[in-house]
Amino acid sequence: DAKTTQPPSMDCAEGRAANLPCNHSTISGNEYVYWYRQIHSQGPQYIIHGLKNNETNEMASLIITEDRKSSTLILPHATLRDTAVYYCIVRALSGNTPLVFGKGTRLSVIA
Amino acid sequence: ETGVTQSPTHLIKTRGQQVTLRCSSQSGHNTVSWYQQALGQGPQFIFQYYREEENGRGNFPPRFSGLQFPNYSSELNVNALELDDSALYLCASSFWDRGAGELFFGEGSRLTVL
Repeated sequence: DAKTTQPPSMDCAEGRAANLPCNHSTISGNEYVYWYRQIHSQGPQYIIHGLKNNETNEMASLIITEDRKSSTLILPHATLRDTAVYYCIVRALSGNTPLVFGKGTRLSVIA
Repeated sequence: ETGVTQSPTHLIKTRGQQVTLRCSSQSGHNTVSWYQQALGQGPQFIFQYYREEENGRGNFPPRFSGLQFPNYSSELNVNALELDDSALYLCASSFWDRGAGELFFGEGSRLTVL
């Protein structure tokens, strides 16, 4: 079972920041937080991952609370092409453990 | 574009038949994993292959089997198809030695079982 809880859906106005929350209260010390997204009829796409420090790349920023029990994915300037299902996943650091997907958050970016 | 290619993109089978799905990994990746995604659900892990051997399996029956070839391409075989096997089947490649590195997914093969 997925170890994360996400809202089923969110809306965001085009050009505004999209903030997608995720709860992972049972996360272990050796587990990373990963975010993937899946645009309709495509395979999941990696966005970002982090352990305890905030992370930023060209796609998004990941903010992890100090107690690591929750995180927020931030898309700074959402576009219509960011409409997708966003999955928050916790995954162990060691080995090649599989991704355990929940149902994710369906983000709709509205013009 | 991830460099992971899957074939066929769509196929229709009848109950009881067998199916083989194929995946070509991204160049340089030595690990492949397969996921099943039913309509409206997140992908579910089937199994993973490294060095041509199964290395991890999810809650799927033995009629789901796989192969990994020396060039790291892979096959997923499903025998005795059931209606509930209708789903999008996703292949993902990665580099084993990078541990918890990112997985690169293909576009999937959509299987319909009638």
